[in-house]
Amino acid sequence: DVKVTQSSRYLVKRTGEKVFLECVQDMDHENMFWYRQDPGLGLRLIYFSYDVKMKEKGDIPEGYSVSREKKERFSLILESASTNQTSMYLCASSLRDGIYEQYFGPGTRLTVT
Amino acid sequence: AQSVSQHNHHVILSEAASLELGCNYSYGGTVNLFWYVQYPGQHLQLLLKYFSGDPLVKGIKGFEAEFIKSKFSFNLRKPSVQWSDTAEYFCAVNTGGATNKLIFGTGTLLAVQP
Repeated sequence: DVKVTQSSRYLVKRTGEKVFLECVQDMDHENMFWYRQDPGLGLRLIYFSYDVKMKEKGDIPEGYSVSREKKERFSLILESASTNQTSMYLCASSLRDGIYEQYFGPGTRLTVT
Repeated sequence: AQSVSQHNHHVILSEAASLELGCNYSYGGTVNLFWYVQYPGQHLQLLLKYFSGDPLVKGIKGFEAEFIKSKFSFNLRKPSVQWSDTAEYFCAVNTGGATNKLIFGTGTLLAVQP
């Protein structure tokens, strides 16, 4: 079974803090993704990566950066957390073709106070 | 820009009722289509997908969806829902290619009353 794990289920941070969200997958997938999920807005893509050290901006990259130093690990970084970044963050991974599904982690609910 | 529309934001049904959730997308070329489900407190998981062949696809737990190219639609159906189908359902589309980038609809929250 594919497994995507995220470092924390719940996280509370203060405004201005630097926040790291970690994601690890164990199926040797080339593609990895970070989304945020907000009620009524569905899932919106923040960044994705199609190979080690490669990344592309998604639909809402402002205020975020990412790092992919190893194939299995994809990190999302909030350089200076703000209250409007309070959300559920989902990581996903997939094989390198559009016919393949994405596999999702359990999510990290981040609250910025 | 490509987009996905889910017309029903919140649906309430009684057990044994039939379900149809609408999904329309805006893209004129070849697409791959997905329905994902998120049960309360669980991961988002794949319900079914279409990428070629028979436009009527069957998924897990008795769900099916029909791809109608002329209508740019991929509606999800189940003939008889159960309380355990209470969940949020997301339609998603990609246009193929190596990056496998998905565009999601806003989701439909389904509540099934026993």
